[in-house]
Amino acid sequence: GAVVSQHPSWVICKSGTSVKIECRSLDFQATTMFWYRQFPKQSLMLMATSNEGSKATYEQGVEKDKFLINHASLTLSTLTVTSAHPEDSSFYICSAENRGGIAKNIQYFGAGTRLSVL
Amino acid sequence: GQSLEQPSEVTAVEGAIVQINCTYQTSGFYGLSWYQQHDGGAPTFLSYNALDGLEETGRFSSFLSRSDSYGYLLLQELQMKDSASYFCAVTRGNKLVFGAGTILRVKS
Repeated sequence: GAVVSQHPSWVICKSGTSVKIECRSLDFQATTMFWYRQFPKQSLMLMATSNEGSKATYEQGVEKDKFLINHASLTLSTLTVTSAHPEDSSFYICSAENRGGIAKNIQYFGAGTRLSVL
Repeated sequence: GQSLEQPSEVTAVEGAIVQINCTYQTSGFYGLSWYQQHDGGAPTFLSYNALDGLEETGRFSSFLSRSDSYGYLLLQELQMKDSASYFCAVTRGNKLVFGAGTILRVKS
């Protein structure tokens, strides 16, 4: 149980285009999902908290107009990187908390999306 | 503010025991988690401590001392497949704040 699916796993795009990344909780409902960014050999940095049915909460320094988050259902959150530039190239990872599960305060992660902007 | 410190790299041989320490400074502490991440892969949950003491899950154990703001992950009977990055993370509310990670290299 507690499987999180993330798609696509790898995307290459041209500078100026937008890229959408999907994060799905497959066997549980997730009222809250999280989006992280990770640079090579570095830690995971929380970008935003995605709340079902309401606006996302962004961490300090993260541009909300650049990284659009939509959490339209209890099993799906999307992150859209708008007008992508080479500096947006990174590994983006989503996670979800299974509050209905026995173990609380555990986040389950998707496999990540490697974005390369040319 | 909040910060977590863990060693950047640890090397050990197959079959050995290794301990990865984590110290933290944070407000609103709920618990300490440990995640494993292989190169290019997703972080995988290993262990969570909300209370002081030792939690054991197979070859992995985790310890927490809230009074010392300190915890560790203990890996026993090391295997080559344990070579990965290990992150401690503090739970604050519903958010995770990750340490910089420890690269564990297991040698034969």
